[in-house]
Parts: sequence; structure tokens; C-alpha cells
Amino acid sequence: DSGVTQTPKHLITATGQRVTLRCSPRSGDLSVYWYQQSLDQGLQFLIQYYNGEERAKGNILERFSAQQFPDLHSELNLSSLELGDSALYFCASSVISSTEAFFGQGTRLTVV
Amino acid sequence: GIQVEQSPPDLILQEGANSTLRCNFSDSVNNLQWFHQNPWGQLINLFYIPSGTKQNGRLSATTVATERYSLLYISSSQTTDSGVYFCAVERRNNAGNMLTFGGGTRLMVKP
Repeated sequence: DSGVTQTPKHLITATGQRVTLRCSPRSGDLSVYWYQQSLDQGLQFLIQYYNGEERAKGNILERFSAQQFPDLHSELNLSSLELGDSALYFCASSVISSTEAFFGQGTRLTVV
Repeated sequence: GIQVEQSPPDLILQEGANSTLRCNFSDSVNNLQWFHQNPWGQLINLFYIPSGTKQNGRLSATTVATERYSLLYISSSQTTDSGVYFCAVERRNNAGNMLTFGGGTRLMVKP
């Protein structure tokens, strides 16, 4: 167990819908990262938050947004879902910059 | 951005065999990690190794940062070692601290 908790583990939804993925980082970790793993794109960085502030953005679509709350948990919101958004979404956390990152079990999203 | 290449892409071993997985990266890094993704999709931390050598049981890893590569050694492989092995790096002087992943090495260990 990495100590990073993601919910839900599985999600099936229809095209055009909106979903929210939740992540609780390891105790004491200030940085939260979101990654997407799809068959054709591999594991790609989406966005990073550090102590409540957005720190870096990767290949995150405009339909996707995220935030980190005062208790340091984070949510990733995916809207106007398309079939191509089906993927495994991971959350990771680390204490501070350039330290070991630990990953949650992932949320498997299926858009039908 | 930084490029991360892993080789070989696929590997089939007989139980008990040894193997070496390689990760090449194109720029200086602050952080390098090796992960094992099991058949259930979980990413398990193997090593945090921006430089030097580490060992954990049957696994060991070496990173030569000046030459921009890392090696993961698996000895006396077991069927439970099957899965995908990822190398991931954090580029130095990054705006953030995100990891860039290689394409992975898919390992199958046969009994």
C-alpha cells in the first residue's frame, strides 16, 4: 500500500457526461500529481499541485480541470467526456520537489 | 521535453533466469524512479535512484547520471515478476517536478 488513496477504482459513464476523481495524498505530502495512462499515449503527466497552488501543467485538455483543497486532497474533473478519454487515471504524491513519488491504485474510467 | 527510452520493449524469461532492463534519457535529471506495474494496473515503487547503485532482494538498479542511463537487474526471476517495468525521470531545471515515463518493458516469466 503506497498510502495514496484514489476513489472510485472503476467508473463507467456515457459520452458527454462529467465525472470527478478524488485523491488523498500520503500523510505529510504537499505535492499532488495527476497522470493519464492510455493504450496509445502511455503514461502522461496532466497537472501538479503543491500546497494548494497549481505548480505545472502537462498535456491536460481544456475539458479537464483539477484543484487541491486546504486538507491537501485533490480532485480531477473531467467534463464533456469522449470515448478517447477512457484510460487509467493515476494520482501521485511526494513530500516536496524532486523527491520520491508514490502512486495510488488508479481510477479506471470507461466512457461508453 | 526530455526523452526516455526503455529497452527491450518485450522480454520473455524462464523462471530462474536473470535479466537486465535499460533506460536511456536525453537530459540531466534530478530524479529517476523504477516502477513495476502489476497485472491489476498498480504502479509499485521499486527504486528511487537518481544516481548510484541500490539493491533490494533479487532486484538491483544502477544509474550513471553522467552518461544518462539506468539499469534494472532482476535475478532468479519468478512468475510474480511478470508485468510492465517503467523508468521515469524528472528533468533538471523543470518548471514543475513531474515525471516523464518511458514506454516500458513488458516482462513475462514462464514457469
